[in-house]
Amino acid sequence: RKEVEQDPGPFNVPEGATVAFNCTYSNSASQSFFWYRQDCRKEPKLLMSVYSSGNEDGRFTAQLNRASQYISLLIRDSKLSDSATYLCVVSPNSGGSNYKLTFGKGTLLTVNP
Amino acid sequence: DTEVTQTPKHLVMGMTNKKSLKCEQHMGHRAMYWYKQKAKKPPELMFVYSYEKLSINESVPSRFSPECPNSSLLNLHLHALQPEDSALYLCASSLLRDGITFGSGTRLTVV
Repeated sequence: RKEVEQDPGPFNVPEGATVAFNCTYSNSASQSFFWYRQDCRKEPKLLMSVYSSGNEDGRFTAQLNRASQYISLLIRDSKLSDSATYLCVVSPNSGGSNYKLTFGKGTLLTVNP
Repeated sequence: DTEVTQTPKHLVMGMTNKKSLKCEQHMGHRAMYWYKQKAKKPPELMFVYSYEKLSINESVPSRFSPECPNSSLLNLHLHALQPEDSALYLCASSLLRDGITFGSGTRLTVV
């Protein structure tokens, strides 16, 4: 089983749609969870951290289910500018000298006018 | 504008060349990273420096040699690369917790 697995995509949705991305991770001891977005030929950028209680930032909602080792990202009222690759990211620890992030393969989202 | 600066943005090198990639951050981060990203693939970790010491080497071939001269600078020395090493090389930094911040990368082509 891969460390981080995501929906393969791609997703093509109209403007205004709600879209959900799912991700599972294999290491039950993982401590930190994130969603990054990456635009074509650009670097990945942190979209949001994911907490056990769930968190929301405007149109974006992230959820974590530790028991199922599952992470999700919901985008409501999608905009053309949301078109990007969304990367699920996990760290085996919460910090320290061996802190590193492992990336899922990413899911490409295209929002159409 | 990214807070992690990488130079050069593009590099073409021959298989017998020696070149270096450079990275700088002034956010006071104590960890710096090199990731490699091939087209349509996720970033793959190569090295982690924590407090200027190499803490993680993900079994990277010795033709890639990292160096951390101080807490703000990170270099990646390249020697005798192969065409399959062509990729986007991303530098990043972090506080050793939370998310990491990437530079815009060096797009490397080995001919």
